Amino acid sequence: DTAVSQTPKYLVTQMGNDKSIKCEQNLGHDTMYWYKQDSKKFLKIMFSYNNKELIINETVPNRFSPKSPDKAHLNLHINSLELGDSAVYFCASSQDQGWEAYNEQFFGPGTRLTVL
Amino acid sequence: AQSVAQPEDQVNVAEGNPLTVKCTYSVSGNPYLFWYVQYPNRGLQFLLKYITGDNLVKGSYGFEAEFNKSQTSFHLKKPSALVSDSALYFCAVRDWSDSGGYQKVTFGIGTKLQVIP
Repeated sequence: DTAVSQTPKYLVTQMGNDKSIKCEQNLGHDTMYWYKQDSKKFLKIMFSYNNKELIINETVPNRFSPKSPDKAHLNLHINSLELGDSAVYFCASSQDQGWEAYNEQFFGPGTRLTVL
Repeated sequence: AQSVAQPEDQVNVAEGNPLTVKCTYSVSGNPYLFWYVQYPNRGLQFLLKYITGDNLVKGSYGFEAEFNKSQTSFHLKKPSALVSDSALYFCAVRDWSDSGGYQKVTFGIGTKLQVIP
């Protein structure tokens, strides 16, 4: 009965590879997010989707492409992985009203990506 | 553009003593403020939020925060710290994006709380 789940938990890969991270929430929320947390624990929003529509795209390189097949799922595909992509990626969800963002977010356990 | 500042990288407090984790903010409109906690190797967990109303907000695990509009602060407090409170604490603020097209939540850099037995 996990609220926000992510797979895989750990991902170790070589530079130049393409990888995907999956996220699912069973809270019935309308909005989902991807965050990147670097080695200094700084948390930065990457993308946000509301009802499968892209709301936020925070100047993330084109190599990162989110996909939301339905409002319970938000996947992140990364092409041509670089060393600087190594980080922990968190998925989150909230019950927000499209452009409004006043409800708390529920975070997944994170995916630790290591690019060698 | 919004910003949120957590001036202390780390706060150390003895078990049983009161704790305060500081946060100040800068937003263009009405502030919506949040506190989250992150335990090692875990995702963030919501503690409490201020949207409107009472300046003193009570949250999970005995935490509370005081909204102070004149000082633009939203400090997190707990009357008696537990060793299990040791974690990374994030203050966050909601505001409009620089382009004004959407709202987003910006997180502070985090404050590590160490409760000493």
